[in-house]
Amino acid sequence: SQKIEQNSEALNIQEGKTATLTCNYTNYSPAYLQWYRQDPGRGPVFLLLIRENEKEKRKERLKVTFDTTLKQSLFHITASQPADSATYLCALMPRTGNQFYFGTGTSLTVIP
Amino acid sequence: EAQVTQNPRYLITVTGKKLTVTCSQNMNHEYMSWYRQDPGLGLRQIYYSMNVEVTDKGDVPEGYKVSRKEKRNFPLILESPSPNQTSLYFCASSTGTSGGRKTQYFGPGTRLLVL
Repeated sequence: SQKIEQNSEALNIQEGKTATLTCNYTNYSPAYLQWYRQDPGRGPVFLLLIRENEKEKRKERLKVTFDTTLKQSLFHITASQPADSATYLCALMPRTGNQFYFGTGTSLTVIP
Repeated sequence: EAQVTQNPRYLITVTGKKLTVTCSQNMNHEYMSWYRQDPGLGLRQIYYSMNVEVTDKGDVPEGYKVSRKEKRNFPLILESPSPNQTSLYFCASSTGTSGGRKTQYFGPGTRLLVL
């Protein structure tokens, strides 16, 4: 069956360190993969997108990698801050069809 | 301001009482979608619409209806709500072309409780 898995446990890191979140998928052929941030009680907010033919994408302190052989994307937040504390969702859209598929999210807490 | 609005934000209802959750976007987006979010299950797509009068089922369409009569509006209808439809609902929109249909803009969410 098709599945998207993210770090099942909440992630706690010290301020200033790099947070690394994982998104693994099975039985999809994604055209691209996205990362969203979701704060409690609010809708997800788009952060970054990476296409299947790209290895890495950066935006300020954020970096996303995409390995279609491993069927995995990694999301990095460098020099993390308490304001980065939130739930992070990965989502993909397959090459065929028009649906989006989301992972269950990883809760990140950055400790001052 | 570019945004997706949903109403109501909170709703408590009883089993079987028809309800509609409205969704509107002011970005002239072709693609609109409804999701439900449940603990441990993440966001699951209920229905989506590629454009006016074009709708398709997502992963969990049972018990829901949608319509797209205007580009800006995409209401979600529960004809006969049941307790298993208690959830947090999000509407989202994005541009419709395959090259542009990447960034989804989400509404603030509607928290529904069906007794």
